[in-house]
Amino acid sequence: GDSVTQMEGPVTLSEEAFLTINCTYTATGYPSLFWYVQYPGEGLQLLLKATKADDKGSNKGFEATYRKETTSFHLEKGSVQVSDSAVYFCALSAGGYNKLIFGAGTRLAVHP
Amino acid sequence: DTAVSQTPKYLVTQMGNDKSIKCEQNLGHDTMYWYKQDSKKFLKIMFSYNNKELIINETVPNRFSPKSPDKAHLNLHINSLELGDSAVYFCASSQVFGSENEQYFGPGTRLTVT
Repeated sequence: GDSVTQMEGPVTLSEEAFLTINCTYTATGYPSLFWYVQYPGEGLQLLLKATKADDKGSNKGFEATYRKETTSFHLEKGSVQVSDSAVYFCALSAGGYNKLIFGAGTRLAVHP
Repeated sequence: DTAVSQTPKYLVTQMGNDKSIKCEQNLGHDTMYWYKQDSKKFLKIMFSYNNKELIINETVPNRFSPKSPDKAHLNLHINSLELGDSAVYFCASSQVFGSENEQYFGPGTRLTVT
């Protein structure tokens, strides 16, 4: 079945450091790929998405490129801030019913 | 204005009780979902309704029964609560079918069964 694998956390960085969170997927067909973010005590918010191969999603300085050849959708940010501290979820959606399949989540902690 | 709202935010109850969680969305979406997030933050879909019709029903104990009185509401009723039901339950909604459509999530309901 379809699945998503994310790098385990927590990831601890200093402010202004470069961030990469790895995400790979297994799916039949052509899934859409998403990154969601969950701030402490809150629900999930869509951070960015890509719906076809080679698409790049970007938002708030974060970006991820849909790589079909490596089945990956790695999240990157050039300079993280303390306010980026949260749990990040990679997810895919395939098939008409729009069922999201999530990775295990990666906790990011950014220190001043 | 809250797009997807859930009540209650916290729910503490004893084993064997029956409880309900309510969800409402004001986005005009026609598809709604319930997800369960366990203590390790792992998220898994439980149910989905489209236009009040059940379209996704994952392997969930039949003690869990979703009910959709209209397109804007999807409630979750849980019978005979067990310790393992303790989790955060998230409601979500999206516009129509289509894997590219973003889902909007509610703030979650933290259920604690003692």
